[in-house]
Formats: sequence, structure tokens, C-alpha cells
Amino acid sequence: GENVEQHPSTLSVQEGDSAVIKCTYSDSASNYFPWYKQELGKRPQLIIDIRSNVGEKKDQRIAVTLNKTAKHFSLHITETQPEDSAVYFCAAASGGSYIPTFGRGTSLIVHP
Amino acid sequence: EPEVTQTPSHQVTQMGQEVILRCVPISNHLYFYWYRQILGQKVEFLVSFYNNEISEKSEIFDDQFSVERPDGSNFTLKIRSTKLEDSAMYFCASKTRQSSYEQYFGPGTRLTVT
Repeated sequence: GENVEQHPSTLSVQEGDSAVIKCTYSDSASNYFPWYKQELGKRPQLIIDIRSNVGEKKDQRIAVTLNKTAKHFSLHITETQPEDSAVYFCAAASGGSYIPTFGRGTSLIVHP
Repeated sequence: EPEVTQTPSHQVTQMGQEVILRCVPISNHLYFYWYRQILGQKVEFLVSFYNNEISEKSEIFDDQFSVERPDGSNFTLKIRSTKLEDSAMYFCASKTRQSSYEQYFGPGTRLTVT
């Protein structure tokens, strides 16, 4: 089955800095890569996703890049704000089951 | 905007007791899921459900677990005899169609087994 590795486990930045979270996956059949933001005690919320036919996708301050050859994808957050503080999960899914396999999460802390 | 809802938000139970966690998926969704998240760990898939039957389940979903859609709106997860290691946040999710990747998560039920 799919295995998703995520790094770092904790990321601490100053407000205004950029943050980058990286994930790798093992199953070459995976073709959908969502990113979820989970605030403390709340539900995971989809913030951005990318499909395998696209190398990069951007939505305001967040962007995701995908390298299918290397089987890795990354989340980039620019101009971080304290409200960006949360746990971010990457995931990978294939057209076989459409069920995402999650990474272990990155706790992002943005210091004012 | 419609949301997935779950009750209760927190359930405390003694080891060996049965618990039922309830979910109300978004009304026009057809595919339903349960996930588990042990504190500080990743979200793990338990089971998917469509057309009143399980379509896929993980190794975690053993004979202690069962799911049911008892009526047109609720989707339940039952744990027959809870163990300490069942303590976790349980998330329900739903989506519109099988070929859609995007799932909508509920707020979760925190299960504490003492």
C-alpha cells in the first residue's frame, strides 16, 4: 500500500517568513495530493490539492509543487501569519480507491 | 454551507463497554468514511461505506468494529468492546461520488477509554 512520509514534524517560523513542508510517497499510481490544515481540536480542512497532471498550483499565499519522477510534493506558505499556526497533513490517493493515505503531520508555529 | 456533523463531541467510556459514534453526512453525499487519529499521530483510514455496505476497510477495522446507516441521515460506528488503545479522535467524512477525491470531514468525536 501507499506510504507517505512528511517532514519536518515541527516547524517554527517568525511572522512574515515562508514555511515549506515536504512529503514523499511510495505508490507511483497515486495521482491526487491534498493538503489539510487542522487547528487544535478541530476537523482537518482541505486547503489545497494538486493532481498528477500539474506540477504546481497556487492559491494566494499557499502553493503546492509536485515532482512525480521523484515522488515528492511540497507545501509552501509565504508571508506567514499567526493564524497559519496549525498541524498540516499531506496525503496521497490513487484512482483505485480514492482514499487518502496521510502523512504524520507538521506542527507549524508562527511567532508574532 | 452544509457540513458533516458528529455526536457526541466527547465520549468517555470504560474498557469493555460498547460505544456508538454518530455522524450525519452532507445530505446529497453517497460515500461515507470513518477515520481514526490517535493523539499526536496521523489520520488513519478505518472503513468506507456505500450503498449500505462496506466497500473497503483497513487492518484496524477488525471484528470489534461495525458500521451502519440505520436511516436516511445517520452513519454510525460501533465499537463492541472498547480497549484502552481505542482512545482517539474519530472523524467521519463523506463525499458525493466515488470518483471524487475531495472528502468533507466532520468535527470528530474524542473517545476516551478508561
